[in-house]
Amino acid sequence: AQSVTQLDSQVPVFEEAPVELRCNYSSSVSVYLFWYVQYPNQGLQLLLKYLSGSTLVKGINGFEAEFNKSQTSFHLRKPSVHISDTAEYFCAVSDSWGKLQFGAGTQVVVTP
Amino acid sequence: SQTIHQWPATLVQPVGSPLSLECTVEGTSNPNLYWYRQAAGRGLQLLFYSVGIGQISSEVPQNLSASRPQDRQFILSSKKLLLSDSGFYLCAWGIREKLFFGSGTQLSVL
Repeated sequence: AQSVTQLDSQVPVFEEAPVELRCNYSSSVSVYLFWYVQYPNQGLQLLLKYLSGSTLVKGINGFEAEFNKSQTSFHLRKPSVHISDTAEYFCAVSDSWGKLQFGAGTQVVVTP
Repeated sequence: SQTIHQWPATLVQPVGSPLSLECTVEGTSNPNLYWYRQAAGRGLQLLFYSVGIGQISSEVPQNLSASRPQDRQFILSSKKLLLSDSGFYLCAWGIREKLFFGSGTQLSVL
C-alpha cells in the first residue's frame, strides 16, 4: 500500500519570496510521484511529475521538485512566488498499475 | 477527443436518503475509472477504482458503493446517506499522471 503525507496544511508566503512544500511518501514498490495544483474554483492541474531518470524535475510556472529516495521525499519548490500562485497544492503517488493516492493538500497563500 | 461528464453539479440530500452520482466518458474505450472525494482539510481521497465492467475496487471502508454497468459509465451510490458523506466528489479516468477529472459534484447532506 502507498500513502502520501504533506506536512504543512497551510503555508503563508510573501510575494517574491521562495516557497517549499514538503511531501513524504511510503511505498513498498517503485513509485511515480506528482504535484498537482488547484486554483480557487478550478479543477486539478498537473504541475510536474517524476517517473524515472533525473531526480530534479522541472514543471510549469517555475516550480521544481526533487525526488529523494533515501528520505522518501518529493518536496516542491519555487524560488520566487507570485500572487497568482495562491492555490492548494497536492502531492500524489502512483504505483505501476496507475491509481493515484493524494496527500491532504497544502494551501499556499501569497501576500504582497 | 476524450471528455468526461459528471452530474449533478450540486446536490442537497437529507440524512438517510439514497444517492446516485453518475459519470460517463466519451472518446476512449476500456478506461480506468476512479471516484475521489475532496473533503475540507483532507485533500483528495481515492474511494473506488475500476479497470473494467463489473470490476470495482474499494480503497476505504465506508457507506458508499460503486458500480460500472457499462464500459464508460461509473456510478457512485449509497442506500442511506450520512452527514459525513458530505463533500466534493470527483470522477476521473486515465492512468498514472494522465488523469482527467470531471467537473465534480458538491454533495451536502443535511
